[in-house]
Amino acid sequence: GQQVMQIPQYQHVQEGEDFTTYCNSSTTLSNIQWYKQRPGGHPVFLIQLVKSGEVKKQKRLTFQFGEAKKNSSLHITATQTTDVGTYFCAGNPRDSNSGYALNFGKGTSLLVTP
Amino acid sequence: NAGVTQTPKFQVLKTGQSMTLQCAQDMNHNSMYWYRQDPGMGLRLIYYSASEGTTDKGEVPNGYNVSRLNKREFSLRLESAAPSQTSVYFCASSEAGPGYEQYFGPGTRLTVT
Repeated sequence: GQQVMQIPQYQHVQEGEDFTTYCNSSTTLSNIQWYKQRPGGHPVFLIQLVKSGEVKKQKRLTFQFGEAKKNSSLHITATQTTDVGTYFCAGNPRDSNSGYALNFGKGTSLLVTP
Repeated sequence: NAGVTQTPKFQVLKTGQSMTLQCAQDMNHNSMYWYRQDPGMGLRLIYYSASEGTTDKGEVPNGYNVSRLNKREFSLRLESAAPSQTSVYFCASSEAGPGYEQYFGPGTRLTVT
């Protein structure tokens, strides 16, 4: 079946360092979404990318969608302790038999120490 | 607006017991979803309902049943709980169609002993 792989599984950084998580799909995606889950909380939508090669920024966060629409990345510049949490990518397969259900990656857990 | 609500927040069951997890949304969304989250496994789709009156299996449906009671409510039932069903369960909703963000409830933490 369609797989969305995400690396690394964990990342521990010092506050002020940069952070990147990568997402790869075995099939072409129609779009990709990113979610953040704080410890003990629920996933919260961050952004969606739709176009091949698309880049979007939200303050210190930069999101990219690959040219082939099979990979994506989230880069955080100068991490802060408020960035702590697990970041998930989730894709809609382009040719899906599962309606509009998303396939989630396993997430990257980010720990930021002051 | 409350968004997506789930009850209960916590539950402990003994093996073989049954229970129903309740989910409701007040955003007039057509699609609703049930996920389970286990450490290191991310979010895995159990069942989803693309629209009122339809339900479909996700990645891990075994041991579960669902009911789309109306547009607002989507329940998940464990008929005979097993320790492997110890997990955090999230309900989510979205507009129908690809490319809509999903709104998640606060989750139910279920332990089966």
